[in-house]
Amino acid sequence: GENVEQHPSTLSVQEGDSAVIKCTYSDSASNYFPWYKQELGKGPQLIIDIRSNVGEKKDQRIAVTLNKTAKHFSLHITETQPEDSAVYFCAALGDYKLSFGAGTTVTVRA
Amino acid sequence: SQTIHQWPATLVQPVGSPLSLECTVEGTSNPNLYWYRQAAGRGLQLLFYSVGIGQISSEVPQNLSASRPQDRQFILSSKKLLLSDSGFYLCAGTGTGGLADTQYFGPGTRLTVL
Repeated sequence: GENVEQHPSTLSVQEGDSAVIKCTYSDSASNYFPWYKQELGKGPQLIIDIRSNVGEKKDQRIAVTLNKTAKHFSLHITETQPEDSAVYFCAALGDYKLSFGAGTTVTVRA
Repeated sequence: SQTIHQWPATLVQPVGSPLSLECTVEGTSNPNLYWYRQAAGRGLQLLFYSVGIGQISSEVPQNLSASRPQDRQFILSSKKLLLSDSGFYLCAGTGTGGLADTQYFGPGTRLTVL
């Protein structure tokens, strides 16, 4: 089955700086890669996703890049704000199921 | 847009008692539905998924079961809870058409087994 690895497990950044989270996947057949943000006590919220026919996608301060050859994808958050503090999960889709990374706890220091 | 409802929001149950968690979906038809469990500070563990009414696939052997009696209703059950069943239970469902791959999560149920 699909195996997704996510790094780093924790990330502390100064407000206004950028944050980058990286994930690798094992199944070359995977073609859909979402990112979720989870705040304490809440369900994960989809923040951006990318499909295998696209190399990069942006939505305001958030961008995702995908390298299918290397089987890795990354989340970039620019101009970080305190409300960006949360746990972020990457995932890869295979056989109806999403395989999730272990999560990255992002802390934005004011 | 799709909305996932879960209840109850929190639940405290004694060991050995039964469990029933409900999930309903609005704004889509024929979604794939999923139950996940999340231990404190940990990642998401897929428990069950369903691609249609009465169709349930189990990912992890345990004392939990799932049922899908209607297209947009997904139920997680147990006959006798264990301490290890404590956790945050999340229901998710897919969209339709171009969003058929996209999973949206509900608000979750916090279960504490004492």
